[in-house]
Amino acid sequence: GAVVSQHPSRVICKSGTSVKIECRSLDFQATTMFWYRQFPKQSLMLMATSNEGSKATYEQGVEKDKFLINHASLTLSTLTVTSAHPEDSSFYICSAARTVSSYEQYFGPGTRLTVT
Amino acid sequence: AQTVTQSQPEMSVQEAETVTLSCTYDTSESDYYLFWYKQPPSRQMILVIRQEAYKQQNATENRFSVNFQKAAKSFSLKISDSQLGDAAMYFCAYRNQGGSEKLVFGKGTKLTVNP
Repeated sequence: GAVVSQHPSRVICKSGTSVKIECRSLDFQATTMFWYRQFPKQSLMLMATSNEGSKATYEQGVEKDKFLINHASLTLSTLTVTSAHPEDSSFYICSAARTVSSYEQYFGPGTRLTVT
Repeated sequence: AQTVTQSQPEMSVQEAETVTLSCTYDTSESDYYLFWYKQPPSRQMILVIRQEAYKQQNATENRFSVNFQKAAKSFSLKISDSQLGDAAMYFCAYRNQGGSEKLVFGKGTKLTVNP
């Protein structure tokens, strides 16, 4: 149990376009989902925390108008990178927690975004 | 703010040998959780082991065990009988106890297992 999927696993888009990444909890309901960004050979950096039905809470320095996060259901959260630029190229990872107070996060397999 | 420090960017171990990965953290909280995650080349984050700060007993999961020193704010991971499949990035992480608390990750240690 506790499987999290991400779609797509890889995406290439042109500069200026928008791209949406989906994060789904397949066999459990996730009240809270997290979005991370990971640059090559670096650690995971939290971008935002989203609770189902509420607006996401963004970390300092993350542009909320550029990285739109929606958590409309207990099994799906989406991250939309708007007007993507080459510097947005990165590995994006989501994780899901059953409840707000759950200490364990279940991670998705990640999405490689390349902006050309 | 809490911080997690992994002072070993890279480590190597011979197959079947034992290796210890270091992690220190800084917090003013008394109740929290500590984790070790493994990230193999597939990039999928895998929970290796978890320690609750209120527990004095060190957590153990098969070949993986921790040395949790709360006063020293140290949380090392020992891998016994290392296997080729243990090769990965290992991240130490901290989380406050309570709702909506985020994970704080260290920079990671790349473990190589030599046959």
